[in-house]
Amino acid sequence: GNSVTQMEGPVTLSEEAFLTINCTYTATGYPSLFWYVQYPGEGLQLLLKATKADDKGSNKGFEATYRKETTSFHLEKGSVQVSDSAVYFCALQAKGGATNKLIFGTGTLLAVQP
Amino acid sequence: DAGVIQSPRHEVTEMGQEVTLRCKPISGHNSLFWYRQTMMRGLELLIYFNNNVPIDDSGMPEDRFSAKMPNASFSTLKIQPSEPRDSAVYFCASSPPSTQNQPQHFGDGTRLSIL
Repeated sequence: GNSVTQMEGPVTLSEEAFLTINCTYTATGYPSLFWYVQYPGEGLQLLLKATKADDKGSNKGFEATYRKETTSFHLEKGSVQVSDSAVYFCALQAKGGATNKLIFGTGTLLAVQP
Repeated sequence: DAGVIQSPRHEVTEMGQEVTLRCKPISGHNSLFWYRQTMMRGLELLIYFNNNVPIDDSGMPEDRFSAKMPNASFSTLKIQPSEPRDSAVYFCASSPPSTQNQPQHFGDGTRLSIL
């Protein structure tokens, strides 16, 4: 079945450090891939998405590239800020289904220190 | 545009009481999802609806949990009787028709504490 595996946290970085959060997936066909972010006390917000192989999603300085050959969708940011501290979820959505059901990873807590 | 609206934002009640959580999806969205989030188990999909019809309730923990969607603009998740282990943050999410390949939009959640 479909599944998402992402690196366990917490990830603790200093401000302006480079961020990578790894995400790999297992799916039949070619799913759409997403990164959601959850700030403390809030719901999940869509951060970026990619719908086909080699697509690059980007938003707020974050990027992720849909790599079919490695079934990965790693999240990167060149210089993190304290305000980026949050939980990040990788997710996939199988295409052709009746609904937009998402399969989520377990989430990775990012803590950025000043 | 109004997002997904959940109420109440916080609920504290004693075990054995009935709890009702409410959700208003984004207008035009035809899929609705209920999730539960805890530190121990992470984010769990409880049930989801398509065009007001429950599609998959395999994530509902037990018979004490029930969910309804009487119309396209309203859904409830009910716990009766409630237990301390039901304490969690419950999220509702909605999405447009799947042909649009659009992501889910989440509400801010209901933080439930059962004493």
